[in-house]
Amino acid sequence: EAQVTQNPRYLITVTGKKLTVTCSQNMNHEYMSWYRQDPGLGLRQIYYSMNVEVTDKGDVPEGYKVSRKEKRNFPLILESPSPNQTSLYFCASSLIQRGTTDTQYFGPGTRLTVL
Amino acid sequence: KNQVEQSPQSLIILEGKNCTLQCNYTVSPFSNLRWYKQDTGRGPVSLTIMTFSENTKSNGRYTATLDADTKQSSLHITASQLSDSASYICVVSAFGDYKLSFGAGTTVTVRA
Repeated sequence: EAQVTQNPRYLITVTGKKLTVTCSQNMNHEYMSWYRQDPGLGLRQIYYSMNVEVTDKGDVPEGYKVSRKEKRNFPLILESPSPNQTSLYFCASSLIQRGTTDTQYFGPGTRLTVL
Repeated sequence: KNQVEQSPQSLIILEGKNCTLQCNYTVSPFSNLRWYKQDTGRGPVSLTIMTFSENTKSNGRYTATLDADTKQSSLHITASQLSDSASYICVVSAFGDYKLSFGAGTTVTVRA
């Protein structure tokens, strides 16, 4: 089954404790992206990757890191989480993204709480 | 700056009734516009994708329209069902750009 998976689905952590949220897709998609979703603000893009070893900042990259060492995986790293990073996070992928009509597939979401 | 604005922010309708959601954008140069449905706590799912040359597209009871001249789109839900209760998000892509511009969404609640 074609899908985007994220782990963990739920995470409660404390300020400053480094964490990684994994994202994996099995559709051989080139484009992958991370979003956060907060009430009233909608989805905001954190980082995206056009292909292996190619990443770029989205609208809200501060406090986050990403890597794209393999095509299928795109982990999101919070080196020193803070309470304002408490949010619902989504990973997404599509075949190609640049101005195309490729459908973007979203993962199930990771609910992160930073105390 | 590319922007996408949706209205209304939320609405409540009775089961079986129709409703229309609006999306205005300033994204340029325009490439395509997508409507997504997002159930509470789940990832968005694509409903329709329209390019510059398309002004209407349907997916079951969902019909999207696009007026690229006025930079407006609408999503019409026909004969609403309880399962239509969700957030509907308008997403616009600029030609040659990898980034997407998201609207804040319209929350639709269908009541029996």
